[in-house]
Amino acid sequence: GDSVTQMEGPVTLSEEAFLTINCTYTATGYPSLFWYVQYPGEGLQLLLKATKADDKGSNKGFEATYRKETTSFHLEKGSVQVSDSAVYFCALSYSGGYQKVTFGIGTKLQVIP
Amino acid sequence: EAQVTQNPRYLITVTGKKLTVTCSQNMNHEYMSWYRQDPGLGLRQIYYSMNVEVTDKGDVPEGYKVSRKEKRNFPLILESPSPNQTSLYFCASTQDGLAKNIQYFGAGTRLSVL
Repeated sequence: GDSVTQMEGPVTLSEEAFLTINCTYTATGYPSLFWYVQYPGEGLQLLLKATKADDKGSNKGFEATYRKETTSFHLEKGSVQVSDSAVYFCALSYSGGYQKVTFGIGTKLQVIP
Repeated sequence: EAQVTQNPRYLITVTGKKLTVTCSQNMNHEYMSWYRQDPGLGLRQIYYSMNVEVTDKGDVPEGYKVSRKEKRNFPLILESPSPNQTSLYFCASTQDGLAKNIQYFGAGTRLSVL
């Protein structure tokens, strides 16, 4: 079956540091890939997505590129802020009708001033 | 404002006392889901619904029930809660059309079963 692997963390960075959160996946087909973010006390919200190989998703300074050859979708940001402190979930799903979303376990990011 | 609303946000109960967590969305989405979030396990799907009166089990359905009598509402029912159902629960609805599979989440319900 499908699966998504990411480290649980926490990842602790100083403000303005470079961020990478690794995400790799195992899929039986050709899924779309997503990053969701969960701020403290809130539900998840979509951060960015990519629907096919070599697509780059971007939003709020975050980027991730769909790498089919390495089955990866790593999240990056050039300069993190304290307000980026949250839990980040990598996920995959397929298009066409209702398709289940498979989530990773989530990576907690703490940004200190 | 487009949103998914869950109630209550916090709930403490005792073993065996039936409870219902409500979920409502105002986006006219066909698809809705319930998840539970546990440390080290991430999000696991409990049940999902593809339309009114159409529901199916997710990965961890044991001990839960759902119903979908109206498109906007998708309540989660625990007939006889047990301590292992202590968790953070999320309801989500899924956008249709070209942007399928983007999920919109409620703010969560933190349940403690004593």
